[in-house]
Amino acid sequence: DAGVIQSPRHEVTEMGQEVTLRCKPISGHDYLFWYRQTMMRGLELLIYFNNNVPIDDSGMPEDRFSAKMPNASFSTLKIQPSEPRDSAVYFCASSFSFLRQGATEAFFGQGTRLTVV
Amino acid sequence: SQQGEEDPQALSIQEGENATMNCSYKTSINNLQWYRQNSGRGLVHLILIRSNEREKHSGRLRVTLDTSKKSSSLLITASRAADTASYFCATGLAGKSTFGDGTTLTVKP
Repeated sequence: DAGVIQSPRHEVTEMGQEVTLRCKPISGHDYLFWYRQTMMRGLELLIYFNNNVPIDDSGMPEDRFSAKMPNASFSTLKIQPSEPRDSAVYFCASSFSFLRQGATEAFFGQGTRLTVV
Repeated sequence: SQQGEEDPQALSIQEGENATMNCSYKTSINNLQWYRQNSGRGLVHLILIRSNEREKHSGRLRVTLDTSKKSSSLLITASRAADTASYFCATGLAGKSTFGDGTTLTVKP
């Protein structure tokens, strides 16, 4: 497997524009996570899915952020409208559940560096 | 919050020395994981220790877990310049992993 694949790797957009980040998790993994990393806030969990169902979206900062997982092999994180303070590196990660202990180690994609000007 | 908090925030050592990083957390966990992040890259999983385990080894890595103190430590022995990176602990519960702010390790050749 090629690992978690994110696209694009870099995105520069103007304030107010819609931004869509994409993620392909590792085949067979049933958990998918979206994280955001900034110098100020560190690594923040935005939302995570289990078997394509959103489980916890309490980390989504505002209604401008939305995430979907239409099937087991694809997820999107959308920001509409984007703002300069959304500039960050966005990571997608996937993992699989183990017995009753929930997800095990997460495998991260290379991230999407988003710059909103 | 069950967020892990790493200590120290930054650590600078000479090649060959050992590096120890600590992680504290607040609530019950199923497991605790350590990750490494090289500059500009994604996080890479290093080791996972379950709540019923006290110590785990993987190559030059040694992880301990003390659930009574809600703390864990990561020891890297015989460090190398290539170990220079940020190290994060993540506490896992019911599928959700929460990361601390990380320890930045610099290993000088």
